[in-house]
Amino acid sequence: NAGVMQNPRHLVRRRGQEARLRCSPMKGHSHVYWYRQLPEEGLKFMVYLQKENIIDESGMPKERFSAEFPKEGPSILRIQQVVRGDSAAYFCASSWDFLETQYFGPGTRLLVL
Amino acid sequence: EDKVVQSPLSLVVHEGDTVTLNCSYEVTNFRSLLWYKQEKKAPTFLFMLTSSGIEKKSGRLSSILDKKELFSILNITATQTGDSAIYLCAAITSGTYKYIFGTGTRLKVLA
Repeated sequence: NAGVMQNPRHLVRRRGQEARLRCSPMKGHSHVYWYRQLPEEGLKFMVYLQKENIIDESGMPKERFSAEFPKEGPSILRIQQVVRGDSAAYFCASSWDFLETQYFGPGTRLLVL
Repeated sequence: EDKVVQSPLSLVVHEGDTVTLNCSYEVTNFRSLLWYKQEKKAPTFLFMLTSSGIEKKSGRLSSILDKKELFSILNITATQTGDSAIYLCAAITSGTYKYIFGTGTRLKVLA
């Protein structure tokens, strides 16, 4: 019973590059949520996706950030033209239904140089 | 604006001590409160509390919710070094999936 998987666990990018973060939900889960944790801050909701649909992206910056959850494969959080302020831990969570308990992955720690 | 506040921000204790972590919330249409333990990996689910006054226990950990005073506590008895972690609480509002997290309490247990 694999839990939520995220890769890479650590990612270093230079300013202006693109970052791609992947999340494979728990088996049987079709609801995926992305959160960002800035240093000394709590986890903040970014986006909620079901297979092939973005349900709520109200917590995601309007520019440079996008997310997808294709029919096949993991969910991807993409950050274009990264800036130093994007350095954070990005956590993915999944649930089997939208009001059920969310289970978190180990996170991807992004460092922008 | 919905918010969750945890206290203390950090805590250092010795093995065997008992600790109480606090979580207060102000959210509209509150539904449930959750506790997670975050080590250097995934935040792991501890408890979900929906009803007031009913204690949930798991080994040395227990938690209770007070919906009148809008807070929850997490107790850890006979602490061990393996309890060192950040403890997060999150509130959920009815009909939504957005977890509103506090900043966490950083617990360090010394041998």
